[in-house]
Amino acid sequence: SQTIHQWPATLVQPVGSPLSLECTVEGTSNPNLYWYRQAAGRGLQLLFYSVGIGQISSEVPQNLSASRPQDRQFILSSKKLLLSDSGFYLCAWSPSSRDEQFFGPGTRLTVL
Amino acid sequence: AQKVTQAQTEISVVEKEDVTLDCVYETRDTTYYLFWYKQPPSGELVFLIRRNSFDEQNEISGRYSWNFQKSTSSFNFTITASQVVDSAVYFCALTLGGSYIPTFGRGTSLIVHP
Repeated sequence: SQTIHQWPATLVQPVGSPLSLECTVEGTSNPNLYWYRQAAGRGLQLLFYSVGIGQISSEVPQNLSASRPQDRQFILSSKKLLLSDSGFYLCAWSPSSRDEQFFGPGTRLTVL
Repeated sequence: AQKVTQAQTEISVVEKEDVTLDCVYETRDTTYYLFWYKQPPSGELVFLIRRNSFDEQNEISGRYSWNFQKSTSSFNFTITASQVVDSAVYFCALTLGGSYIPTFGRGTSLIVHP
């Protein structure tokens, strides 16, 4: 069966520090991968998605970037965190565009 | 552009009550997919159901049921005999055929009191 891992679970970082969140999927190949952010107030904001290795689409211009160095690995990065980057970050995968998404446990990021 | 509206921000019920969560969508496409997800306090979204635009058949799964009506562009979710464990934020989502990008509603927070 498929599993999605995401780490760390929580992170407290100072403003201006770098960020690296990792997400890996097991048990499937060539998944579509997604990064979301959920700020207080519940709404899900799609940040990036990827349909293949090295293929990244950005939905929101900001100081975050994403990379997909391997088929089942998706990394969210920032060179310098802002206060506004605080939030709950969720990674998700789906077999295809018309299928449901399966979410990871999330990373709660607090930027101080 | 497509849109998903969950007008109910928060619903509070007492255990064993039935509750319906509304979802209204907008799209001009004829091929699309609708989803419901549950986000319990732990934070991880859990997939509940998918419906494609050509399948208006209603679905029942235990205490959960879904009513898909294209005539009103609605995909409502009913929980029968609610339980405290049903307390969560519920999201409705829409993906157009051929698109990789789902559109999520803002979610409905359901609080079930014992």
